[in-house]
Amino acid sequence: AQKVTQAQTEISVVEKEDVTLDCVYETRDTTYYLFWYKQPPSGELVFLIRRNSFDEQNEISGRYSWNFQKSTSSFNFTITASQVVDSAVYFCALKDSGYSTLTFGKGTMLLVSP
Amino acid sequence: GAGVSQSPRYKVAKRGQDVALRCDPISGHVSLFWYQQALGQGPEFLTYFQNEAQLDKSGLPSDRFFAERPEGSVSTLKIQRTQQEDSAVYLCASSLGPQETQYFGPGTRLLVL
Repeated sequence: AQKVTQAQTEISVVEKEDVTLDCVYETRDTTYYLFWYKQPPSGELVFLIRRNSFDEQNEISGRYSWNFQKSTSSFNFTITASQVVDSAVYFCALKDSGYSTLTFGKGTMLLVSP
Repeated sequence: GAGVSQSPRYKVAKRGQDVALRCDPISGHVSLFWYQQALGQGPEFLTYFQNEAQLDKSGLPSDRFFAERPEGSVSTLKIQRTQQEDSAVYLCASSLGPQETQYFGPGTRLLVL
């Protein structure tokens, strides 16, 4: 069975702080895909990144970076120099290769204050 | 290009009413998914279409829920005899294929009184 755990329910930071959102996953599949989505107050889920299980190279995109570690089944997301516009709920999701749907964690609400 | 669109954005229904929620996927996307998101929770899978074929409906919570995609494009999620526990945000997503990244619409917020 697939499972995604986001242990942090809510994180509050002050603008310009760095923040890391944790994601731990469980799957029996050897080939799988991991995702992060952002859900601002408007409600739409915005795709941020997709990683394949066979590619553990970390990725950086502007102020965003992702640390994928198969040994600990984690796919953490770091925002550097956070901004107020980063305030949202962030979801980590998992998809097995033979299964089309996404399994989501419960989300982490990030509040960035000025 | 246009993203996934959903209508209505908000729907208030009296308990026992039937509702229909519409999803317009991204043009050319053959895979379409419906998810239900309760307050403070992550989205949960309801059903999946590949073109017009409903390949997985294992997430539909009861036989009051019905989804269709007759021409392989627009999809409708219908809830019959709505109950208060049906109150949630209903999200639609589409992808080029079953293994591709899913892109989500803005959702329909359903409130059953």
